[in-house]
Amino acid sequence: ELKVEQNPLFLSMQEGKNYTIYCNYSTTSDRLYWYRQDPGKSLESLFVLLSNGAVKQEGRLMASLDTKARLSTLHITAAVHDLSATYFCAVDIVFGNEKLTFGTGTRLTIIP
Amino acid sequence: GAVVSQHPSRVICKSGTSVKIECRSLDFQATTMFWYRQFPKKSLMLMATSNEGSKATYEQGVEKDKFLINHASLTLSTLTVTSAHPEDSSFYICSAIPSSGVESSYEQYFGPGTRLTVT
Repeated sequence: ELKVEQNPLFLSMQEGKNYTIYCNYSTTSDRLYWYRQDPGKSLESLFVLLSNGAVKQEGRLMASLDTKARLSTLHITAAVHDLSATYFCAVDIVFGNEKLTFGTGTRLTIIP
Repeated sequence: GAVVSQHPSRVICKSGTSVKIECRSLDFQATTMFWYRQFPKKSLMLMATSNEGSKATYEQGVEKDKFLINHASLTLSTLTVTSAHPEDSSFYICSAIPSSGVESSYEQYFGPGTRLTVT
């Protein structure tokens, strides 16, 4: 059974600081996704990582993938309040199936 | 971009009644759609895969007779919660994968979700 774990589960950080969210998964994956969810809302797609060593950046967020270590990271640079949300990683392990298994989520709170 | 809608966005129903939730892909066709549920402060759990023209595939532990899924067309899937009970109260989110020719053929596009409250 595929397991996807994130840490930390909760993260409070001050504005302007840097931090990293980790996503570990238990079996070989074809694709890894990062999503953002605001309270009461659905998911917003942030990144899709397709291969080992993939790195993608958008604004203050950067995601990377190490398929050998079965690890993805979401790095936050110089955090701002608008980044407060819950972040999920999700893994698609079966090519052609597209079923996603979601991580536990990381609730990020940026403190002014 | 690819847009997925859900209707209703919120619904309150009495225990024992049935509720239908619609998921529509607005600007693309989707052979495959997925239904998830999310409890407060928890992650998304896949309930079932909805396939146009065939029976849905349910995840282990999901009662197919309780959560009826119909993928009537390439742009519409419905989830009916039958004989709803308070423990069915949750946030239900659908997603759709473009059949072809739109964006990436593997990325799921999520609907805005439906909050179901059973009293």
